Amino acid sequence: EAGVTQSPTHLIKTRGQQATLRCSPISGHTSVYWYQQALGLGLQFLLWYDEGEERNRGNFPPRFSGRQFPNYSSELNVNALELEDSALYLCASSSDRLAGVLPGANVLTFGAGSRLTVL
Amino acid sequence: GQNIDQPTEMTATEGAIVQINCTYQTSGFNGLFWYQQHAGEAPTFLSYNVLDGLEEKGRFSSFLSRSKGYSYLLLKELQMKDSASYLCAVRGPGNYGQNFVFGPGTRLSVLP
Repeated sequence: EAGVTQSPTHLIKTRGQQATLRCSPISGHTSVYWYQQALGLGLQFLLWYDEGEERNRGNFPPRFSGRQFPNYSSELNVNALELEDSALYLCASSSDRLAGVLPGANVLTFGAGSRLTVL
Repeated sequence: GQNIDQPTEMTATEGAIVQINCTYQTSGFNGLFWYQQHAGEAPTFLSYNVLDGLEEKGRFSSFLSRSKGYSYLLLKELQMKDSASYLCAVRGPGNYGQNFVFGPGTRLSVLP
């Protein structure tokens, strides 16, 4: 079974540009979470999508946005990039609805991350 | 809101036992999770507690006391490869409006 996949692995942008990061959840998982992890720091919650809708967002400015597609994959968009946006962006998926039939479905499973560097 | 606290760094010796504590204050609770994260890599799931008590999985055990807002991760027979950050995460209640909120992580260094 394929895990959570993220692309691109690395992305280099300059200030003011836009970045788009993509995530494909584990098959059957309907929830996708996005986290930002700056170097040496903890995971900061960005966005949570479930069944195609944004369920919650963290304390980030509106230039961080995203969406979830009908196949439950998701993308994160960061507009007007700033130097401090340089970080590892982690996507994770889970499924409460499958928790009773798919062991571990309600546990967050992370992708390998996309490392964004803003110059 | 949710507030999660962990020690920043810990050091232990190969073969020893180490306990990593996590305290939390949350407006709701639907489980406490422990993850391991090696430098530059994604977090990987270790253990999960939703009820009070001890969960054992090989060399790793996790304990939860909901009344005290307290959990710990116990690592036995430490190996060099256990050097990593250990993240405590709390999940909120209900089907919606819930998050997995992560603590700052504890960086464990295992020395020979």
